[in-house]
Formats: sequence, C-alpha cells, structure tokens
Amino acid sequence: AQKVTQAQTEISVVEKEDVTLDCVYETRDTTYYLFWYKQPPSGELVFLIRRNSFDEQNEISGRYSWNFQKSTSSFNFTITASQVVDSAVYFCALGGDTSGSRLTFGEGTQLTVNP
Amino acid sequence: DTGVSQNPRHKITKRGQNVTFRCDPISEHNRLYWYRQTLGQGPEFLTYFQNEAQLEKSRLLSDRFSAERPKGSFSTLEIQRTEQGDSAMYLCASSLGPGSTDTQYFGPGTRLTVL
Repeated sequence: AQKVTQAQTEISVVEKEDVTLDCVYETRDTTYYLFWYKQPPSGELVFLIRRNSFDEQNEISGRYSWNFQKSTSSFNFTITASQVVDSAVYFCALGGDTSGSRLTFGEGTQLTVNP
Repeated sequence: DTGVSQNPRHKITKRGQNVTFRCDPISEHNRLYWYRQTLGQGPEFLTYFQNEAQLEKSRLLSDRFSAERPKGSFSTLEIQRTEQGDSAMYLCASSLGPGSTDTQYFGPGTRLTVL
C-alpha cells in the first residue's frame, strides 16, 4: 500500500519569509513518482512538479525548490520569499508501477501568507 | 492548450436524486481520471479510462456510481440515489498516456452538495 504524510496541516507566514512544506511517503515500488500540486481557493489542482524515483537531483524553479531524499523517503517543497499569491493548499502525491494509474495524495498543507 | 473542463461547477440536489457530471479532458489526452475530495482531505481515486475503456475502479465507487467515456473523449460520472455522504468535490484529470504514471492535469472540479 502507498501512503503520503503531510504532517503540517496549516502554516502561516509573513510575506517574504521562506517556508518549507514537508512530505514523507511510503511505497514498496522500486520505481515510483512524486508530485506536488497547488490548490488555490478556486479549487483547481495546479501541477507544480514531478520527480521520478531514479532521479534524486534537486530542482529549483524560480522561488520554488524541491528536495528529494530517498534515504528518508521525503520530498520537501520550499518557497523562497513567499508572496500572498502563494496562499493555497499544497498536496504531495505518489504514483508507482504497482498502483496502476491512481495517485495517492497526502492530506495537504494549508499555507497562508500574510502581507 | 485548453485545460480540463468540468460541468457543472456546482450542483445542489436533494437526497435520493440522481446527478450527472461531465468532464472534457485536454485534447488528445488518452487517459481520464475521476477523484473525489472531501473537505480538508486530499483527493481520492475513483476510476480511470484509457480511451473508452474503464480500466480500474476503486472500492470507493459503489454500485450507485457509474462512469462512462463513450467515444474516448468526454466522460460522465453519474451518482444515483444520492446520499448526504456523497457531498464532495468531484475532480477530473487527464493525462497523455499511455504511460501509467504520466502527469495528471486536473480540472476545476464539480462541487456536489446533497441536502
């Protein structure tokens, strides 16, 4: 069975602060895929990043960066110099070869960036 | 590219009524998925299609739920004899395929309220 844990239910920061969202996963698959999605108040899930299990290279995209560590089964997401528009619920998700096409999502982290 | 679209965006119904939702995937995407999201939770997988074939169904998809994708393009999700526990956001996603772990792109969802 696959499992994703996002232990932080809610995070509140002040604009321009850096913030890290944690994601820990469990899987028996040797090949698996990790995703981050953003869900603003409008409700639509917006794809942010995909990472394959065989690629542990960290990635930076503008103010966003992701730290993938297989040794600790973690795939954390950092927003640098947060902005009010970053306020949303962020979901980490896991897919794998034995789970077919289903994604397993964590419960999400509500990020509030205050001006 | 036009994204995934879903109609209606909101549906309020009385317990016992039938409801039908529609999803139009991204053009040329072969795979289409349905998820359900309740308040404060991450999305949960319901079912998916490869073209017109329904290839996997979650145990969450009770006998009152039926999904179709008749011509491999749009899909409908019908709930018969709705119950209050069916109140949720119903999300549709599509992916290019045929890979089972292609990135899934989500629509804005249909929020169902059963009174």
